[in-house]
Amino acid sequence: AAGVIQSPRHLIKEKRETATLKCYPIPRHDTVYWYQQGPGQDPQFLISFYEKMQSDKGSIPDRFSAQQFSDYHSELNMSSLELGDSALYFCASSLGTGQAGYEQYFGPGTRLTVT
Amino acid sequence: KQEVTQIPAALSVPEGENLVLNCSFTDSAIYNLQWFRQDPGKGLTSLLLIQSSQREQTSGRLNASLDKSSGRSTLYIAASQPGDSATYLCAVIRDSSYKLIFGSGTRLLVRP
Repeated sequence: AAGVIQSPRHLIKEKRETATLKCYPIPRHDTVYWYQQGPGQDPQFLISFYEKMQSDKGSIPDRFSAQQFSDYHSELNMSSLELGDSALYFCASSLGTGQAGYEQYFGPGTRLTVT
Repeated sequence: KQEVTQIPAALSVPEGENLVLNCSFTDSAIYNLQWFRQDPGKGLTSLLLIQSSQREQTSGRLNASLDKSSGRSTLYIAASQPGDSATYLCAVIRDSSYKLIFGSGTRLLVRP
């Protein structure tokens, strides 16, 4: 079965640079979520989209922005990177109509290292 | 504010033991609860989803229960194997939002 695809899997950037993370949800899933997991921490919600509209927002820095495109893939844009942005970034997808209880399926993550 | 707590933080057991992982949440107004497995540096694998109207779900050697009124869920692993070694995370979705709120996880080591 198709899973959530994230690219790139690993990314190394310098401080103040910009990074773009991509997420391709499971086919037919219309809702995408982004989470950040720092070293030794549990995942923290950043932002979500349902049918290409932002549906919820968590503790996402103003330096970050995201969008969901017409094909339902999503991109997380991160600017003015800081050392503290080094983390695993997960994308998850679900069916937004509640048919499957909003069960979220996670991608393998993008490991971002800021030096 | 919803808080999710998992006990114990770490657990080491010999192979073959049955074990129970605990998860508690402060706000009973949840939509569902998911249990995940995470291997070091890897992604999250969904193990079981329990909707708020359900009491338990089973998948193979795993059984998860939910007591919404007391704010508790347990994950029961039968006949543990070394391959079960991982961090187990529980997460809840509140009625008002569909974001997952995670506990800090239980690190499980099953010794051969």
